[in-house]
Amino acid sequence: TQLLEQSPQFLSIQEGENLTVYCNSSSVFSSLQWYRQEPGEGPVLLVTVVTGGEVKKLKRLTFQFGDARKDSSLHITAAQPGDTGLYLCAGAPNTGNQFYFGTGTSLTVIP
Amino acid sequence: DTGVSQDPRHKITKRGQNVTFRCDPISEHNRLYWYRQTLGQGPEFLTYFQNEAQLEKSRLLSDRFSAERPKGSFSTLEIQRTEQGDSAMYLCASRGSGRINGYTFGSGTRLTVV
Repeated sequence: TQLLEQSPQFLSIQEGENLTVYCNSSSVFSSLQWYRQEPGEGPVLLVTVVTGGEVKKLKRLTFQFGDARKDSSLHITAAQPGDTGLYLCAGAPNTGNQFYFGTGTSLTVIP
Repeated sequence: DTGVSQDPRHKITKRGQNVTFRCDPISEHNRLYWYRQTLGQGPEFLTYFQNEAQLEKSRLLSDRFSAERPKGSFSTLEIQRTEQGDSAMYLCASRGSGRINGYTFGSGTRLTVV
């Protein structure tokens, strides 16, 4: 059972386009993280958001944590082929020590 | 420190055989996690160690699975009597103290049971 649902599951876009990936749950999280994973490798941490309503920017990537700390979004501006990968959100419940991962969004940016 | 290391990278085994994977975390990280990931899905939590103590285990971790972290450094994950459904990527991650610290993952061990 996945606590976090991501949408869309697959996304294929042209280089230069913008896109948004969503991460939704009915549970409240104390913090939420976004990872990017390339084939055959482990996920790599992109950002951690902690406060409801928080917005963080990482170059062309903008991350937002929902006001109720149940959802998050990742927006990429002017996508590049190097952005191709599996994007994963991961939430930490208020109790426990592990993060629960979302279902993932597979992004392909076509040159 | 070169990050989290996992060995082997790939393992092909026959159904019914036992396999063991090793994870060497970042040395100053006291928390170590094992996850399992199937193609196109997010990682699923298996178990968590703080130092040498195994503090949490998922219901996914059947009695054929056992994990150890004997000296609070490296960890091993053993699967006994492997089944085809065990085929997956097994990921190890370590994490420093602090609730919001992120995981540093290894490159994983890809297990194929034939």
